[in-house]
Amino acid sequence: DGGITQSPKYLFRKEGQNVTLSCEQNLNHDAMYWYRQDPGQGLRLIYYSQIVNDFQKGDIAEGYSVSREKKESFPLTVTSAQKNPTAFYLCASNSAGTGFSPLHFGNGTRLTVT
Amino acid sequence: AQTVTQSQPEMSVQEAETVTLSCTYDTSENNYYLFWYKQPPSRQMILVIRQEAYKQQNATENRFSVNFQKAAKSFSLKISDSQLGDTAMYFCAFMKHPARFSYYGNNRLAFGKGNQVVVIP
Repeated sequence: DGGITQSPKYLFRKEGQNVTLSCEQNLNHDAMYWYRQDPGQGLRLIYYSQIVNDFQKGDIAEGYSVSREKKESFPLTVTSAQKNPTAFYLCASNSAGTGFSPLHFGNGTRLTVT
Repeated sequence: AQTVTQSQPEMSVQEAETVTLSCTYDTSENNYYLFWYKQPPSRQMILVIRQEAYKQQNATENRFSVNFQKAAKSFSLKISDSQLGDTAMYFCAFMKHPARFSYYGNNRLAFGKGNQVVVIP
């Protein structure tokens, strides 16, 4: 079955450490996205990528970095520069281009930094 | 940038009754899509319904229907015959229509802050 896999489901890190969240999709989608979800804040866009080797900052990119070396993969690194990294992180994908393509979501990673 | 506003942070409804969630948005675009997503306790995001701005007819998906008022920039969701499985956070979302002749279509979503719906047996 096609879908988006995020791993791990729960992640714990000490403050000051970088951590990388995995996102893999086998839907042959061109575009991939990272959203952060906090209570009462909805979903906010961190980074997105429309094509391999290219990505754009979203609304809250500070303290995060991404790469898009393969179409299937869009890992997110939460760096020590991110002031408040504890949150629920959702990866999504869809087809780029001129037609409509609904967003497919992974099951998310809950990151706790202490 | 587009903004999406949802009020009524938490709502309770008796099983089999109807509940309506409100959403307003701000945009200068003429062509766009609007969505309602559901996030149950599992935290999986599930697309409930979508509306294309150029269509005047309100979208319907089984027990879910919308009231789309383009001039007022309003997009409410009605859940009829509520079921226990409808208990979830509901997010309203906006997407610009992908640009014509552009491979780098702007398919990103802007979300509201969500409404918690609790269905009571």
